[in-house]
Amino acid sequence: EPEVTQTPSHQVTQMGQEVILRCVPISNHLYFYWYRQILGQKVEFLVSFYNNEISEKSEIFDDQFSVERPDGSNFTLKIRSTKLEDSAMYFCASSESAGDYSGNTIYFGEGSWLTVV
Amino acid sequence: EDQVTQSPEALRLQEGESSSLNCSYTVSGLRGLFWYRQDPGKGPEFLFTLYSAGEEKEKERLKATLTKKESFLHITAPKPEDSATYLCAVQAGGSGYSTLTFGKGTMLLVSP
Repeated sequence: EPEVTQTPSHQVTQMGQEVILRCVPISNHLYFYWYRQILGQKVEFLVSFYNNEISEKSEIFDDQFSVERPDGSNFTLKIRSTKLEDSAMYFCASSESAGDYSGNTIYFGEGSWLTVV
Repeated sequence: EDQVTQSPEALRLQEGESSSLNCSYTVSGLRGLFWYRQDPGKGPEFLFTLYSAGEEKEKERLKATLTKKESFLHITAPKPEDSATYLCAVQAGGSGYSTLTFGKGTMLLVSP
């Protein structure tokens, strides 16, 4: 069964350092997303990406965050200068479409756990 | 603002003891209501999507139903392997590209 894959599974970084989280979405999907989950809290939307540009972003996704699709298979989230409060599980996700009904189901990867010290 | 409230926060069942989880929502034009299962330290695993009031979907011991204000996830004769956190999420009509608003989840523990 096709799945979203993420690397690394766990990363520890010093405060102020740059971090890049990588994802390979499901191959025939066109819409890509990043969500995050702080320990013990809700899963929160960060950003959606379609046709090589950001289509929506939340208030969390400020100037220190960026996303990129550097090639035909990878999708990345960069955090420029990490803060302690960026410690969370970051989930990449993808969907076939954004319309109604079955194509808009969002499938999630297993997550990248980021610890900022 | 879209809101999703799940209850109870935690539920402990004996194996075989059926029960229901609730997801109440307020959203500006529901496009879809999603149920996911999340195991500790893992990503949400898709279970069901419901699109309109009255719709029902089943998968093994799970059955999801939808009304205009809430959804229920019914678990029939649960087994220990059903232990997980069950997440409810809504996709609103105002969202441009399938973004989901999640509830906090219900942590289910099924004891043998």
